[in-house]
Amino acid sequence: DSGVTQTPKHLITATGQRVTLRCSPRSGDLSVYWYQQSLDQGLQFLIQYYNGEERAKGNILERFSAQQFPDLHSELNLSSLELGDSALYFCASSVESGGITDTQYFGPGTRLTVL
Amino acid sequence: AQSVTQPDIHITVSEGASLELRCNYSYGATPYLFWYVQSPGQGLQLLLKYFSGDTLVQGIKGFEAEFKRSQSSFNLRKPSVHWSDAAEYFCAVGPYSSASKIIFGSGTRLSIRP
Repeated sequence: DSGVTQTPKHLITATGQRVTLRCSPRSGDLSVYWYQQSLDQGLQFLIQYYNGEERAKGNILERFSAQQFPDLHSELNLSSLELGDSALYFCASSVESGGITDTQYFGPGTRLTVL
Repeated sequence: AQSVTQPDIHITVSEGASLELRCNYSYGATPYLFWYVQSPGQGLQLLLKYFSGDTLVQGIKGFEAEFKRSQSSFNLRKPSVHWSDAAEYFCAVGPYSSASKIIFGSGTRLSIRP
């Protein structure tokens, strides 16, 4: 158990809908990262927040957004969902602002299925 | 272009046998290298990492990896696998500046034959 929690574990929804994925980092960790893992694209970095502020942006679609709240939990919002958004979404957390030596601890993921 | 290649999609080894998972990278700057394991229904767990120094790196669960700059490789090894090692293994490379720029390989699925 990494100490990172993600809810829900599974989510099934329809095209065009909007969903929110939630992540609680390990106690004391200030950074939260979001990743998408799909069969065709592999594991891709989406976005990072550090202590409430956006720190780094990866291959995140404009239909997707995220935020980190004062209690450091984070939410990833996915809107206008398409079939291709079906994937496993991981959250990871780390203690500091994300230098390469800052180990990331991954949550168990949320499996999103868009029908 | 920066990339990580894991040439083996799926490997099956017998319990107790040795294991080597291959990883090749293409990276312009000094590479920082990682191996992660993903068990079914779990997130990724860091097995080991290489930043500098001794090219043979020891990790958790009895795994080790060797960095070979001349071959652009960072292969993962274990002398004797256990049934609990069945999982997906990911090699990754990134720059010193940012963990968010880590590039992951496509993964190698390891099955263990009883």
